[in-house]
Amino acid sequence: DVVLTQTPVSLLISLGGQASISCRSSQSLVHSNGNTYLHWYLQKPGQSPQLLIYQVSNRFSGIPDRFSGSGSGTDFTLKISRVEPEDLGVYYCLQRTHNPRTFGGGTKLELK
Amino acid sequence: EVQLVESGGSLVQPGGSLKLSCVASGYTFSNYWMDWVRQTPGKSLEWIGEINTDGSKTNYAPSIKDRFTISRDNAKSTLYLQMSNVKSDDTAIYYCTRTTYWGQGVMVTVSS
Repeated sequence: DVVLTQTPVSLLISLGGQASISCRSSQSLVHSNGNTYLHWYLQKPGQSPQLLIYQVSNRFSGIPDRFSGSGSGTDFTLKISRVEPEDLGVYYCLQRTHNPRTFGGGTKLELK
Repeated sequence: EVQLVESGGSLVQPGGSLKLSCVASGYTFSNYWMDWVRQTPGKSLEWIGEINTDGSKTNYAPSIKDRFTISRDNAKSTLYLQMSNVKSDDTAIYYCTRTTYWGQGVMVTVSS
């Protein structure tokens, strides 16, 4: 199975600051069709996960441009600029290139 | 508005069975693959499995293979998860998801 390793496990960020989360895969996430199915989700306290970024770098509908995704192959990064209170929660990466699909362990974003 | 509403969660004894349902609305259900994902209390997300648009193909995580079955009824816009021979490790919140949208989740507790 593909293992996704997220770092750091937790982040303390000041309001208005920038956060960076890494998701490293145990194997390439490039599908045979050329696409890379690496997505990012945010789970706010008491809520279901919500999609932020799909296929590495595409913001989902309604997601502010403060959120950006990048990377290729096995290394991916989610960056959050100008952190706001509503950005707090646990961030997960998910790969849908290989079966079984797998999630990263999560990164908890908290306010400093 | 896309909505996914799960039901059927309850307390079940080890070795028992349970069937979860997820009713979709706000989009053409039969056009999308669907997944089940679970989350143990305080822990990360675990992908359980997926089903294609017409129900002819399913993929499962090794941890639940041969115990859980995913099915769908496109006429009723409903996704199902049949759980059999459940174990204490299956205690979790179960979500149905279309990758971009998630239900609110339903709690399953396995205990004697």
